[in-house]
Amino acid sequence: EVQLVESGGGLVQPGRSLKLSCAASGFTFSNYYMAWVRQAPKKGLEWVATISTSGSRTYYPDSVKGRFTISRDNAKSSLYLQMNSLKSEDTATYYCARQAYYRGFAYWGQGTLVTVSS
Amino acid sequence: EIVLTQSPTTMAASPGEKVTLTCRASSSVSYMHWYQQRSGTSPKLWIYETSKLASGVPNRFSGSGSGTSYSLTINSMETEDAATYYCQQGSSYPLTFGSGTKLEIK
Repeated sequence: EVQLVESGGGLVQPGRSLKLSCAASGFTFSNYYMAWVRQAPKKGLEWVATISTSGSRTYYPDSVKGRFTISRDNAKSSLYLQMNSLKSEDTATYYCARQAYYRGFAYWGQGTLVTVSS
Repeated sequence: EIVLTQSPTTMAASPGEKVTLTCRASSSVSYMHWYQQRSGTSPKLWIYETSKLASGVPNRFSGSGSGTSYSLTINSMETEDAATYYCQQGSSYPLTFGSGTKLEIK
């Protein structure tokens, strides 16, 4: 059974940093692109980042480019999101997702809430 | 960036009613994916590559479309189908989602 378990969320002040983690199990992690998708409170879904199987390629929307960094450790079956220079508009539940070849998200974690506030 | 516009924003349907949700893209895309999100839970892949049902999705659901216009249809609405449905395009980065259609039961 595919499992994705996020951790690392919490309350952080504007301008500070936070690192999210996602522990994957139930599949061969190194074979899949992985992604982060977020959802602000009572709002829709927003794709945040994607990383290739080896980690050599990463993709971001303009809203987080230069501030967020996605990475992975295939030996540990783990995905990460380093978030710097956080803004109030980054407040959201962050989901770890397994990305399929068709660039859709076949599996999702339960999410971790990040609140950016002073 | 490809912008996805979903309609309606909110709708209510009676049990047994046929329901159609629409997603329009600002540029042509190769296919569309759909997600179901029930209140307080993570999204679930529902339909992928326009018309393929994800595992466990009842066959009263179907998807269709091409180019810039796509739709999700429920042949006969059931109580458990009440949720928010999002479309998403994977044709090009940045990957984008529609703003969602909230489907309620009458």
